[in-house]
Amino acid sequence: ETGVTQSPTHLIKTRGQQVTLRCSSQSGHNTVSWYQQALGQGPQFIFQYYREEENGRGNFPPRFSGLQFPNYSSELNVNALELDDSALYLCASNRGPQGEQYFGPGTRLTVT
Amino acid sequence: AQKITQTQPGMFVQEKEAVTLDCTYDTSDQSYGLFWYKQPSSGEMIFLIYQGSYDEQNATEGRYSLNFQKARKSANLVISASQLGDSAMYFCAMREPNAGKSTFGDGTTLTVKP
Repeated sequence: ETGVTQSPTHLIKTRGQQVTLRCSSQSGHNTVSWYQQALGQGPQFIFQYYREEENGRGNFPPRFSGLQFPNYSSELNVNALELDDSALYLCASNRGPQGEQYFGPGTRLTVT
Repeated sequence: AQKITQTQPGMFVQEKEAVTLDCTYDTSDQSYGLFWYKQPSSGEMIFLIYQGSYDEQNATEGRYSLNFQKARKSANLVISASQLGDSAMYFCAMREPNAGKSTFGDGTTLTVKP
C-alpha cells in the first residue's frame, strides 16, 4: 500500500478531446511525478511538480500540462488527444529514504 | 542522458528455482541510484530493491538481491526460490541525481511455472 490513489481507473476518449487525470498522495508528500507507459514499454517521464511548481519535464509537448494543489493532490491534463496518447498513466509521489518512488495504480486511457 | 537496457523480453522459471533478470545502464554521472520495480497485471509499480553507485556491497531484500557490477555497468536482479506470485513485469530504473526523473528500461516479463 503506497498511499497513492489515482482516478479514474479507466477512461475512453475520442481523438481531439481533452482529458484530466487525478492523483492523490499522502500528507507531506510534496513531490509528484507523472509517467506515461505505452503497452509493452517502460514508463516515460512526463514531468514533476514540487510544492505546486513544475521542476522537471520529459520529452512531451506542451499539450501535456499539470497542476499540484496544496492538499497533495495533482492533475495531469492532456489537450487535443491523439491516438498515440493511449497508455497507462502513472502518478508517483515523494521519494522514500533510498530515492524510490511510490506509484499509484494508474489510469488506463484509450483514445479512439 | 541516462539509458537502461533490459535484453530479456520474457523469462520462464520453475517454481522454487532462482532466476536472474538482466539490466545494463549507461550514464555519465558519478553518483546515481539503481532500482528494480515489479509491475503485476494490475498496473501498480512496486519498489523491490535499491543500489547506490557508491555502495560496495550488493543490495539484498528478502528473496531479492542485486548483482551490481559497476565496471560492466550492470545491475542484475536475482530472485531466489521463485513463487507463483512473482509472475509479473520487472523494470530496472535509474534515478538522476537531484532530479525528479527516473529512467526505466522496457521491462522483462517473468512467468513462474508450477
